[in-house]
Amino acid sequence: GESVGLHLPTLSVQEGDNSIINCAYSNSASDYFIWYKQESGKGPQFIIDIRSNMDKRQGQRVTVLLNKTVKHLSLQIAATQPGDSAVYFCAETYNQGGKLIFGQGTELSVKP
Amino acid sequence: DAGVTQSPTHLIKTRGQQVTLRCSPKSGHDTVSWYQQALGQGPQFIFQYYEEEERQRGNFPDRFSGHQFPNYSSELNVNALLLGDSALYLCASSSGRAGRDQPQHFGDGTRLSIL
Repeated sequence: GESVGLHLPTLSVQEGDNSIINCAYSNSASDYFIWYKQESGKGPQFIIDIRSNMDKRQGQRVTVLLNKTVKHLSLQIAATQPGDSAVYFCAETYNQGGKLIFGQGTELSVKP
Repeated sequence: DAGVTQSPTHLIKTRGQQVTLRCSPKSGHDTVSWYQQALGQGPQFIFQYYEEEERQRGNFPDRFSGHQFPNYSSELNVNALLLGDSALYLCASSSGRAGRDQPQHFGDGTRLSIL
């Protein structure tokens, strides 16, 4: 099914620690995945993407891992900072740039 | 390099009224998608426009309609507003000409409240 859910999972980490945010995606035909960060009062901001022919991709302080066998995606944030506090969404698509299906979202809280 | 811009930022309407929301895509982008985001949930896809045509549509009633102009900007129209239409409406743009698997970039949305 598509994203539903009224209660966001939360993750609380200490500043400087590494964060891991997990996402289970819904469609085995999905072949492109994106992580977004959404701060309060703003729209989703692109963080990193990965295609289904890859299992890992690294950006600046972020790494995305894709496990197609179990339909699982994770976002790792190194040396988490207070500015990383936000809601993080994974999104999947299977039709070449069309409809994005969003996951439930995880609220990351970074304690100084 | 301007990102995706949406107007207005906030809007208050009453049930039964009609509303038009506007979106200008990021420079160089030609594809516009609209999403509805209820409080505490992920965005839900409404429809996508490319070359002034609706290319794909999500599970939204015909009260939701849109348009794309030759300069790639877009409008979302909602008729006969219901209380349940209260949400954040997000516009996202991407480049269809750049090939497949291009990320969609979002604006900050229009917060629509129905009284």
